[in-house]
Amino acid sequence: GAVVSQHPSRVICKSGTSVKIECRSLDFQATTMFWYRQFPKQSLMLMATSNEGSKATYEQGVEKDKFLINHASLTLSTLTVTSAHPEDSSFYICSAQVLTSTDTQYFGPGTRLTVL
Amino acid sequence: ILNVEQSPQSLHVQEGDSTNFTCSFPSSNFYALHWYRWETAKSPEALFVMTLNGDEKKKGRISATLNTKEGYSYLYIKGSQPEDSATYLCAFITGGSYIPTFGRGTSLIVHP
Repeated sequence: GAVVSQHPSRVICKSGTSVKIECRSLDFQATTMFWYRQFPKQSLMLMATSNEGSKATYEQGVEKDKFLINHASLTLSTLTVTSAHPEDSSFYICSAQVLTSTDTQYFGPGTRLTVL
Repeated sequence: ILNVEQSPQSLHVQEGDSTNFTCSFPSSNFYALHWYRWETAKSPEALFVMTLNGDEKKKGRISATLNTKEGYSYLYIKGSQPEDSATYLCAFITGGSYIPTFGRGTSLIVHP
């Protein structure tokens, strides 16, 4: 149980295009989903926290107009990288949390974004 | 910015060796400490959720301890096997924000 899928796993796009990444909890309802970004040899950096039905809370330094997050249901959150540029190339990974803040997070497999 | 440090950054051991690594975190405003195992091309997998000072948890050959007063947690692997090869991440959660801050991970490679 507690499986999180993420799609696509890999995407290559041209500069200026927008890319949408989906994160789904397959067998449980996630009250909270997190979006992370990882640069090479760095730790997972939290970008934003999203709760179903409300606006995402973005971490300092993360542009909310650049990284649009929608959490329309208890099983789906999406991250859209708008007008992507080469510096947005990174590994993006989502996680879902069930109920309490001490609950473990269940991670998706991540998305490797390359912007040409 | 919270400082969550993991050491060593990488570790190579022989099959059968026991090993341990460290996660250090701020000793104030502690809420929880999570350990994850992240195998290449897979999703990070939760290992332990630790909440109380002195906690000691075990899962098969892997165990973890927690010292919230001095701000560290140890992860131990007894009799390492090649399938234990992975990056081990810790995440520190503060009271109030409940936002996880991850360390950079310890990359473990177990040689047959």
